[in-house]
Amino acid sequence: DQQVKQNSPSLSVQEGRISILNCDYTNSMFDYFLWYKKYPAEGPTFLISISSIKDKNEDGRFTVFLNKSAKHLSLHIVPSQPGDSAVYFCAADLHAGAGGTSYGKLTFGQGTILTVHP
Amino acid sequence: DAEITQSPRHKITETGRQVTLACHQTWNHNNMFWYRQDLGHGLRLIHYSYGVQDTNKGEVSDGYSVSRSNTEDLPLTLESAASSQTSVYFCASSEWGTSGNGEQFFGPGTRLTVL
Repeated sequence: DQQVKQNSPSLSVQEGRISILNCDYTNSMFDYFLWYKKYPAEGPTFLISISSIKDKNEDGRFTVFLNKSAKHLSLHIVPSQPGDSAVYFCAADLHAGAGGTSYGKLTFGQGTILTVHP
Repeated sequence: DAEITQSPRHKITETGRQVTLACHQTWNHNNMFWYRQDLGHGLRLIHYSYGVQDTNKGEVSDGYSVSRSNTEDLPLTLESAASSQTSVYFCASSEWGTSGNGEQFFGPGTRLTVL
C-alpha cells in the first residue's frame, strides 16, 4: 500500500514558467513533509520541507504548499530554469508527538521527472 | 567536509553470488538507511539502523541483510543475488532524536546488475 503517491510520472515546462509538482498521502499521522531533488548518477538531495502545523513554506524560487484536509502537498518552482530538470521525490516523516523527535524513517513517493525546456 | 560514500559505484554479478555493498558516513549520524530505486516505485526502504548493533527490516528486506558494528558503516549484503535485485541502491544517514524535519543525507548510489 503506497502511503505517499506522486501520480504524475513526468512534467514538461518551458523555462521561466511555473512548475507544479503534486504529492498525495494517506497516513494522517505524517507530520513533516520533505521534497528531494535527484540528478542522474547522483544521490537525492534535500530541497525544502514543511511541518504539518504550516500550510506554506517558501525558499527562494521554491514554495511548498500543504493541504492537510485533502492530504495533499505541492511544490511550486517559479520561475523554472533548465537546471531544475531532475527527478523530484516527496517524502513524509513521523514524529513522536507534537514537537517530539523524528522516528527517522521517511516514506517516499514514486518521483516525478521534471524537464524544463529552454 | 562530512560526507557519505558508497562503493562500488557499479557492480555486475551473477545469479546466486553473494554481494556486499559498502556505505560509509562521516556525519557521525546514528541513523543509517538502505534504499533501492526502481522505475515506478521511487525509493523503497530495505533495512535501517538507529545505532551500533541495531538493525531493522524495511518494506523490501527479503534477500538482504545488514550489520552495524560501528557508527560510520552499514554494509548491505545480498545473500544470493537474484535478477530481481538489479537496481540502484542508495545509502542514507540522519541524526537521531531530531525534532526537525528528519532530513536524510544520501550517498551517490551503487548501480547493481545481476545477470
